[in-house]
Amino acid sequence: QKEVEQDPGPLSVPEGAIVSLNCTYSNSAFQYFMWYRQYSRKGPELLMYTYSSGNKEDGRFTAQVDKSSKYISLFIRDSQPSDSATYLCAMSSTGNQFYFGTGTSLTVIP
Amino acid sequence: KAGVTQTPRYLIKTRGQQVTLSCSPISGHRSVSWYQQTPGQGLQFLFEYFSETQRNKGNFPGRFSGRQFSNSRSEMNVSTLELGDSALYLCASRLASDTQYFGPGTRLTVL
Repeated sequence: QKEVEQDPGPLSVPEGAIVSLNCTYSNSAFQYFMWYRQYSRKGPELLMYTYSSGNKEDGRFTAQVDKSSKYISLFIRDSQPSDSATYLCAMSSTGNQFYFGTGTSLTVIP
Repeated sequence: KAGVTQTPRYLIKTRGQQVTLSCSPISGHRSVSWYQQTPGQGLQFLFEYFSETQRNKGNFPGRFSGRQFSNSRSEMNVSTLELGDSALYLCASRLASDTQYFGPGTRLTVL
């Protein structure tokens, strides 16, 4: 079993839709949770960083962590064509070694 | 502040050759990690260097090696290249037990 599971998609939504991206994990020691956005032929760019459980909001993006269910989510409100990218979740127990999901490909159609 | 830079951006090699990739971290960042990214496996951790010492290592064969210099710049070397080594190699730097910032990657193609 992989440490982190992420549905690869692809996910296609119309502009303005709410997008929900999810990851599940098996290691209950994970306490650092991140979401990265990766455009084609670019390196991943940090979007959201959460420590332990709870919600964090930044503009149109909301990250949720449910440690009891070992489940994290990223919500994108009012999605834009510029949000079209691959979204990677990542997590760590110590902050020293990070485990990544395989990424979900998102396309926002104008 | 300048971001993480990686050189070269693209490389084409043949089986059996070796390759060296370079990474310059964000100024002040002492930790540098290397990842291999492929469509099937996603991002896989290779190793992490901190203050010129390898601190963590992933499950890759000994053909993959790295080092870090006193200025925190890091190099990764792959010897005896195989077709399966074709991938995007990403370098990430961080300040301490904190989030990582990635470079643009080096796309390696092995023919």
